[in-house]
Amino acid sequence: SQTIHQWPATLVQPVGSPLSLECTVEGTSNPNLYWYRQAAGRGLQLLFYSVGIGQISSEVPQNLSASRPQDRQFILSSKKLLLSDSGFYLCAGRTSGTDTQYFGPGTRLTVL
Amino acid sequence: GEDVEQSLFLSVREGDSSVINCTYTDSSSTYLYWYKQEPGAGLQLLTYIFSNMDMKQDQRLTVLLNKKDKHLSLRIADTQTGDSAIYFCAVGSYNQGGKLIFGQGTELSVKP
Repeated sequence: SQTIHQWPATLVQPVGSPLSLECTVEGTSNPNLYWYRQAAGRGLQLLFYSVGIGQISSEVPQNLSASRPQDRQFILSSKKLLLSDSGFYLCAGRTSGTDTQYFGPGTRLTVL
Repeated sequence: GEDVEQSLFLSVREGDSSVINCTYTDSSSTYLYWYKQEPGAGLQLLTYIFSNMDMKQDQRLTVLLNKKDKHLSLRIADTQTGDSAIYFCAVGSYNQGGKLIFGQGTELSVKP
């Protein structure tokens, strides 16, 4: 079964600084990949998803961007962080042809 | 768009059964999931059910689906203190990259 890795686990960044969060997947090929944000409340908001290398779909307009430079690598970026970007960022993956979406351990981002 | 609703809190006594409910709006949802999130951690897939099923049982977990009413429930038998967590209902389909729409999560508190 697939395993989702995320790093860093926690990050504290000043407002206006850049961001790069990495997600890698092992145990599968050509997965669908997803970035979610969980804000101070509970709900998970889907930010981006990708069905293949270089293919990114954005769900909500915002200060963030995503890239998929390799089959099993998904990166979340920002050029200038805002206070409102603070939250818990979760990467998830789904093997093509299967029905289950697995999550990584998450990255806790605090923007000060 | 798709909406998924859950009650925010549930409190039960250890040894009792817990029932967590979820309603959704999109009748084209193909698969429906339950995830568990412990504090500071990612989401753990507990179980899932296809839209053509009414019930699925997996050890202490029973999932019931009422497709007519668009209602999903998760029953945890013999609830233990280790079951205390936030439980998320999520629905999805094979379209649009298999993305999931999540409810707000139900915080289950198990009292000894």
